[in-house]
Amino acid sequence: DVKVTQSSRYLVKRTGEKVFLECVQDMDHENMFWYRQDPGLGLRLIYFSYDVKMKEKGDIPEGYSVSREKKERFSLILESASTNQTSMYLCASSRQALDEQFFGPGTRLTVL
Amino acid sequence: AQSVTQPDIHITVSEGASLELRCNYSYGATPYLFWYVQSPGQGLQLLLKYFSGDTLVQGIKGFEAEFKRSQSSFNLRKPSVHWSDAAEYFCAVGAVTYKYIFGTGTRLKVLA
Repeated sequence: DVKVTQSSRYLVKRTGEKVFLECVQDMDHENMFWYRQDPGLGLRLIYFSYDVKMKEKGDIPEGYSVSREKKERFSLILESASTNQTSMYLCASSRQALDEQFFGPGTRLTVL
Repeated sequence: AQSVTQPDIHITVSEGASLELRCNYSYGATPYLFWYVQSPGQGLQLLLKYFSGDTLVQGIKGFEAEFKRSQSSFNLRKPSVHWSDAAEYFCAVGAVTYKYIFGTGTRLKVLA
């Protein structure tokens, strides 16, 4: 069974902390994505990666960075967490561009 | 600009009734179209997708969708809704390479 896993389901951090969200996929997919999901706004793309060490900005990259050192792992980094980054974060992967995406269960991050 | 509109934020249907969730898109070329479902506290799961060919596509869990180019629509249908279908549904367009545009979602409530 294909799987995308995220390191935490729930996370509570303080303003100014550095936050790492980890995502691992076991499908040997080339492409990986980070989204944030907020009520009434749907899913918004933060960053994506189409190969190891390659990354591209999505629609809302400000305040975030990413790292992809290995094909199966894609990390989202909040350099200095702020309260407006409280959200649900979803990781996804796909085999080819514009193909079906497989999603992880999400990490609900609260920044106090 | 490319966009996806799901005009219904909430829909309530009785168990056994038919269902149609609306999705309209704005995109210059032939789109790649998807419907995903998100159960509470979970990631998104693909219901069905349209890339080309037959405009009526069948998906999992008894869902189907019809691509109508003239109306720029890709509505999701199910002839008889089950209580387990209560969830949030997202329509998405595969747009510029690697990038997807998601609608804001329709939350389905099923009455027993």
